[in-house]
Amino acid sequence: GAGVSQSPSNKVTEKGKDVELRCDPISGHTALYWYRQSLGQGLEFLIYFQGNSAPDKSGLPSDRFSAERTGGSVSTLTIQRTQQEDSAVYLCASSLVQGAWDTEAFFGQGTRLTVV
Amino acid sequence: LAKTTQPISMDSYEGQEVNITCSHNNIATNDYITWYQQFPSQGPRFIIQGYKTKVTNEVASLFIPADRKSSTLSLPRVSLSDTAVYYCLVGDFYNQGGKLIFGQGTELSVKP
Repeated sequence: GAGVSQSPSNKVTEKGKDVELRCDPISGHTALYWYRQSLGQGLEFLIYFQGNSAPDKSGLPSDRFSAERTGGSVSTLTIQRTQQEDSAVYLCASSLVQGAWDTEAFFGQGTRLTVV
Repeated sequence: LAKTTQPISMDSYEGQEVNITCSHNNIATNDYITWYQQFPSQGPRFIIQGYKTKVTNEVASLFIPADRKSSTLSLPRVSLSDTAVYYCLVGDFYNQGGKLIFGQGTELSVKP
């Protein structure tokens, strides 16, 4: 596709269950980001992948959160033992990092996660 | 990454020019300034990026004074569809690993 694709668009899960959120970045983009946005709040950085470098996991809120990026393309964000405070929109973005001037990040539509 | 400060909200009317100022007093020499726009229920969208002086594209203008400690996003003749949250980001995105850190943004409300 032409843009960043996220699935599912909506996910309702029971407290304590594990969930997996998927992100398909724009083909050829080397950088991939995950963010979380709670209702009415700004974007909270979670994790960043750049090429073959070790991911920057500094934003993950707890060890229940993990993410991987296979083959430098698709990424999966996993939340284990979900809690109600995990309810938010999870946004994925990708960019083709060529240099300081080329840092436009393209965002997907997000996955709205509701933990009940 | 440089800390940014911008107004939490602004109101405007259709047809007016809107200027949103972002303060970034500890901006570093290699840092660039980027603005994103986010409509409700959508991911943010890149608007404009600059290093110094003035940058203009089909959507907005970005004014950066010589000391680079602030920047102003200018939206000419806004319409109702410009109602959105506007984020100012500052950083050496490439050399610092490209991590994009968003603040709270400025919620712009355009009224008829």
